[in-house]
Amino acid sequence: DQQVKQNSPSLSVQEGRISILNCDYTNSMFDYFLWYKKYPAEGPTFLISISSIKDKNEDGRFTVFLNKSAKHLSLHIVPSQPGDSAVYFCAAAGYNTDKLIFGTGTRLQVFP
Amino acid sequence: NAGVTQTPKFQVLKTGQSMTLQCAQDMNHEYMSWYRQDPGMGLRLIHYSVGAGITDQGEVPNGYNVSRSTTEDFPLRLLSAAPSQTSVYFCASREGHLNTEAFFGQGTRLTVV
Repeated sequence: DQQVKQNSPSLSVQEGRISILNCDYTNSMFDYFLWYKKYPAEGPTFLISISSIKDKNEDGRFTVFLNKSAKHLSLHIVPSQPGDSAVYFCAAAGYNTDKLIFGTGTRLQVFP
Repeated sequence: NAGVTQTPKFQVLKTGQSMTLQCAQDMNHEYMSWYRQDPGMGLRLIHYSVGAGITDQGEVPNGYNVSRSTTEDFPLRLLSAAPSQTSVYFCASREGHLNTEAFFGQGTRLTVV
């Protein structure tokens, strides 16, 4: 049973517009959430994170929003650039577990 | 800065063969994990370790063994390879329990025929 889900396998966005990637989780014990970016033939790399005590975290063009009551988080990329084209994974961790659980991934394509 | 190093990068096995995927990190991280990436399934946790001598099962541990004799190394063993184990395998390390990012190796693409 997938504890972290990304229901959109793919997303296509025009350059300069906003990209919104969504993630849902089922385990209410998760306290910390991360987004990773993955290019083909490379390992995932860390992008941005958020603690459960916050509802928003920004880093340049990237903003993560957390809605704990809905068990939902989203990653906003503004403005989107062609170099953002990659697979994005959300991940979750909790105080009561040593596991870092990843979602199914969303492939983002940013076209000119 | 080596970070997390995985070997080999590619491997083809016959059904029933055994092999070990190597993973080494030079960041003195306590936590290390193995994931597999499959289409539509994302990254699934196989086994993880929170320190030398301590390992535990992840989401999909069957068919795999691990050990952690040193902080630096975390090998993944396939005792009897099956076609269902065809996948891309990633090793990751992180500093501690929470609020720390994971660093990944470049992956091992394994095909079992």
